[in-house]
Amino acid sequence: DTGVSQNPRHKITKRGQNVTFRCDPISEHNRLYWYRQTLGQGPEFLTYFQNEAQLEKSRLLSDRFSAERPKGSFSTLEIQRTEQGDSAMYLCASSLGLAGRAEQFFGPGTRLTVL
Amino acid sequence: AQRVTQPEKLLSVFKGAPVELKCNYSYSGSPELFWYVQYSRQRLQLLLRHISRESIKGFTADLNKGETSFHLKKPFAQEEDSAMYYCALSGISFQKLVFGTGTRLLVSP
Repeated sequence: DTGVSQNPRHKITKRGQNVTFRCDPISEHNRLYWYRQTLGQGPEFLTYFQNEAQLEKSRLLSDRFSAERPKGSFSTLEIQRTEQGDSAMYLCASSLGLAGRAEQFFGPGTRLTVL
Repeated sequence: AQRVTQPEKLLSVFKGAPVELKCNYSYSGSPELFWYVQYSRQRLQLLLRHISRESIKGFTADLNKGETSFHLKKPFAQEEDSAMYYCALSGISFQKLVFGTGTRLLVSP
């Protein structure tokens, strides 16, 4: 499968613990996006990278959230001191090109449950 | 601010009936509109985008700038069309997708 992959697919954690998710984009895609989706809502933008540079962060991304894409390939999203409100599906997408209008290809998501 | 509104959470039709999933948007610039679809147990995938003016799986969507709408239509629904449909907006001034809340289409035999 040459599509976007995400690991783990499911994560259950206790409140206050730290979690880290990984996203592997389609090879050679220069842009990588993170979105969050809660029940009954559409995906909401969190942040995006162009190569290794993080160019935009949503106000939804509190100080407890950090994302990296160190070599311009895979990306990690870390949530520190998780809260129950962090429970959601975390989606990664990648695209090729400089324009924001390029088609984004989505991964299967990581479902986070905070107990 | 950019905003996408999908007024229907659920649309239920019989096989062979026409389908129209509504999408309205708010954006002051020149938008690009998309329809993404998520079939059961599958990932979100692009169905169509207004700039390509294609018909995909029998679906079409026309951008109406006067009414700020991008409704998705299909003349004869099929059971395999049952899925979650999201309308999304992008623009030259912002580098992300803004999604609506989605409409679940259920096509019954």
